[in-house]
Amino acid sequence: TQLLEQSPQFLSIQEGENLTVYCNSSSVFSSLQWYRQEPGEGPVLLVTVVTGGEVKKLKRLTFQFGDARKDSSLHITAAQPGDTGLYLCAGLAGGTSYGKLTFGQGTILTVHP
Amino acid sequence: GAVVSQHPSRVICKSGTSVKIECRSLDFQATTMFWYRQFPKQSLMLMATSNEGSKATYEQGVEKDKFLINHASLTLSTLTVTSAHPEDSSFYICSARLALMAEQYFGPGTRLTVT
Repeated sequence: TQLLEQSPQFLSIQEGENLTVYCNSSSVFSSLQWYRQEPGEGPVLLVTVVTGGEVKKLKRLTFQFGDARKDSSLHITAAQPGDTGLYLCAGLAGGTSYGKLTFGQGTILTVHP
Repeated sequence: GAVVSQHPSRVICKSGTSVKIECRSLDFQATTMFWYRQFPKQSLMLMATSNEGSKATYEQGVEKDKFLINHASLTLSTLTVTSAHPEDSSFYICSARLALMAEQYFGPGTRLTVT
């Protein structure tokens, strides 16, 4: 069974601060996806990283995939109250897992004005 | 593109009744759909994988006779919670993907409350 350890679980910061969320696993993933979810809604895909060492930027969000494709990080610069939400990493497995996603535990981010 | 809808968005039912939730891919044909369950402030838990034209594959610990899944077409999958009990109250989310290793796109979720 593949596991994806996501940390921290809770993050409460002030507007303007920077933060990093981590996802780590002992397993290799074909790709890793980051989602953001607001209460009462489904997760919305932010980015997919595929290549080891890949870095993708989405405005103030920077996503990195580890060289060995076992870990990933999400860094938010100058956080804003609108960034508040549940952030989820999910690894896509190959082989006999039929492309199922393995989700991390999630990070609840609260950005205070 | 890649829009997935769910209906209803929220439903309240009495204990012992059955509830059907629909998941539709609106602008693409989904070879596979997934059903997840989510408790408050927690991550998503995969319940089952639904492939068009074949029986669903359930995750360990998920009762297939209680959570009936039908994937009738490439754009529609349904989850029926049979003989619902209060402990079945949860947020149910579906996702759909176009191909085996493609990205999953999630529906907006259905809030089920069993009284």
